[in-house]
Amino acid sequence: DAGVIQSPRHEVTEMGQEVTLRCKPISGHDYLFWYRQTMMRGLELLIYFNNNVPIDDSGMPEDRFSAKMPNASFSTLKIQPSEPRDSAVYFCASSFGGMGGYTFGSGTRLTVV
Amino acid sequence: AQSVTQLGSHVSVSEGALVLLRCNYSSSVPPYLFWYVQYPNQGLQLLLKYTTGATLVKGINGFEAEFKKSETSFHLTKPSAHMSDAAEYFCAVSAKEYGNKLVFGAGTILRVKS
Repeated sequence: DAGVIQSPRHEVTEMGQEVTLRCKPISGHDYLFWYRQTMMRGLELLIYFNNNVPIDDSGMPEDRFSAKMPNASFSTLKIQPSEPRDSAVYFCASSFGGMGGYTFGSGTRLTVV
Repeated sequence: AQSVTQLGSHVSVSEGALVLLRCNYSSSVPPYLFWYVQYPNQGLQLLLKYTTGATLVKGINGFEAEFKKSETSFHLTKPSAHMSDAAEYFCAVSAKEYGNKLVFGAGTILRVKS
């Protein structure tokens, strides 16, 4: 099992550009979570899906952020337009059943200049 | 009210000494409890978990944690610290009252001195 796969590992972009982060969850997992980690705010849950359906997006900071899960094996987190304060490490995690242990990806380090 | 409280954002121990990382939770129903470890530039990795049954749970790398309902605690311990244990550790709780998702503590950075 390759685990949760995120791409890219690093992304540097200019302010105002669109950024798309990608995630492939573990096969068979029915929950997918997007987190953001910063020194100031720690680990924040942005949004999560159950069976490809968004369940709770209350953590999405602004309308500039959107997430989709078109099928059970792929999800994207998009920021448009990006701002320097969006710089952070974004993690994707998946699980079988939401209350169990999660498996995290290695994260995408986003830098907006 | 804070769902998960980790006492001490930074803990420093000498190599070979006992590691004790504290975690308290709030839940009105029996929770599931977890400890995760994050090494620099990596994602979070599950160390151990408590769901039901035996209250003392053993995890990877020699760590263990004990669920104490009366104290609402789930402290993480390791008898002898190793340099490779230096990392950030997160306690997490899941319970029906929090929806079907984990709630994470703020994390504790463990430093191991030689």
